[in-house]
Amino acid sequence: GNSVTQMEGPVTLSEEAFLTINCTYTATGYPSLFWYVQYPGEGLQLLLKATKADDKGSNKGFEATYRKETTSFHLEKGSVQVSDSAVYFCALNPKTSYDKVIFGPGTSLSVIP
Amino acid sequence: EPEVTQTPSHQVTQMGQEVILRCVPISNHLYFYWYRQILGQKVEFLVSFYNNEISEKSEIFDDQFSVERPDGSNFTLKIRSTKLEDSAMYFCASRDDRGGNTEAFFGQGTRLTVV
Repeated sequence: GNSVTQMEGPVTLSEEAFLTINCTYTATGYPSLFWYVQYPGEGLQLLLKATKADDKGSNKGFEATYRKETTSFHLEKGSVQVSDSAVYFCALNPKTSYDKVIFGPGTSLSVIP
Repeated sequence: EPEVTQTPSHQVTQMGQEVILRCVPISNHLYFYWYRQILGQKVEFLVSFYNNEISEKSEIFDDQFSVERPDGSNFTLKIRSTKLEDSAMYFCASRDDRGGNTEAFFGQGTRLTVV
C-alpha cells in the first residue's frame, strides 16, 4: 500500500539554525510528493512539490529533492525564522486516477528567537 | 488565483444534530475530497468523489456521513447525527487530473465543534 513516514516532533530550533525534516514513503509506481504547511489556527497550504524522481521542489527558502533510490523527500531550510513555526506534513499522491493524497503524521516545528 | 472555498469557517452544534459543511471546489476540477483533522492529530482521508459518485471512502466515513454535489459547483459533507468525537477540522480538496496534474488544492477548513 501507499504510506508516508516522517520524523516525530516536536522540533525546536533557534532562529537561523538549519532545518531538516525527514520523510520517507512507500508507494506503488511513481507518486508525486508534497510538503504542506499548517500555521497555527490555519488550514493546509502547499509548500512545495516534486512530480518525478530527482526533481527538486523549492519555495520560501525550503527545498526537498525526490529521491527514488531511497524513497525519500526530506525537507530542508538553511536558516529558519520564527515565522516558520508551524506543522509540516509530507504527503504523496499515487498518480492513479482519483487516488487521494496520503499524509504523513506531521512534524511540529517551533523556532525560538 | 483560484481557490477552494469552505463555509462556515467555524460551526458549533449540539450532539445529535445534523450538520452540512459546504465547499466550492475550483471550477474546472474533476476530483473532490473530504479530509478530517482532529485537533493536534494527523490529516485523515474521509472520502473521494468523482463523476457524481463516491470513488473511495475510509473506515471513518460510516453511514452517518454523506456527500453530495447538488448543483455542479458546491460539494457538501453531511453528518446526520453528530457525536462529540466528530469535533475536528474538516478540509475539502479538489484536483484537476488533466495533463497529469496531481496537486490537490485544499480549502481553509471548517472547524466543527460538537457540544
